[in-house]
Amino acid sequence: EVQLVESGGGLVQPGGSLRLSCAASGFTFSSYAMHWVRQAPGKGLEYVSAISSNGGSTYYANSVKGRFTISRDNSKNTLYLQMGSLRAEDMAVYYCARGSSTSLIRPVFGYWGQGTLVTVSS
Amino acid sequence: EIVLTQSPDFQSVTPKEKVTITCRASQSIGSSLHWYQQKPDQSPKLLIKYASQSFSGVPSRFSGSGSGTDFTLTINSLEAEDAATYYCHQSSSLPHSFGQGTKLEIK
Repeated sequence: EVQLVESGGGLVQPGGSLRLSCAASGFTFSSYAMHWVRQAPGKGLEYVSAISSNGGSTYYANSVKGRFTISRDNSKNTLYLQMGSLRAEDMAVYYCARGSSTSLIRPVFGYWGQGTLVTVSS
Repeated sequence: EIVLTQSPDFQSVTPKEKVTITCRASQSIGSSLHWYQQKPDQSPKLLIKYASQSFSGVPSRFSGSGSGTDFTLTINSLEAEDAATYYCHQSSSLPHSFGQGTKLEIK
């Protein structure tokens, strides 16, 4: 059974940093691109970042470019999102999602984690 | 950036009714359009991939159609458990984008 379990969310002050993790199991992690999608309270879904299966290609939404860094450790079956210079508008539930191939091209998100809440407030 | 516009934003329907939700893309995306269902306090769940392919385990009352810029999610014989918000998602080009969501209320 495919499982994705996010962790690392919490309360952080504006300007602060946080690292999210997504532990994967039930599939060959190193064979799939991985993605982060967020959802602000009461709002819709926003695509945030992605990384190819070998980590060689990454993508960032303009809203987080230069502040967030996506990475993965295929030996630990874990995806990361290092978030810095956090703003109030970054407050959201962050979901990791499995892509459908090794690359970032035309993915579909068949599996999602349960999400981890990031609260940005002083 | 491709913008997806769903209609309606909200719909109140009765059980056994047929529901149609549309998603229009600001430019052609071929068949790279997917549909998700999200219930309160849950993560999204994939229903339909690549416009018309059912995802494993999804009830047969859910179906999708369309290509290019206009897409439709159809729910035949609605059930109470279908109360949720539905999102379309395009993965034709980066940044991948989602529609604003359609909230379905069961009367």
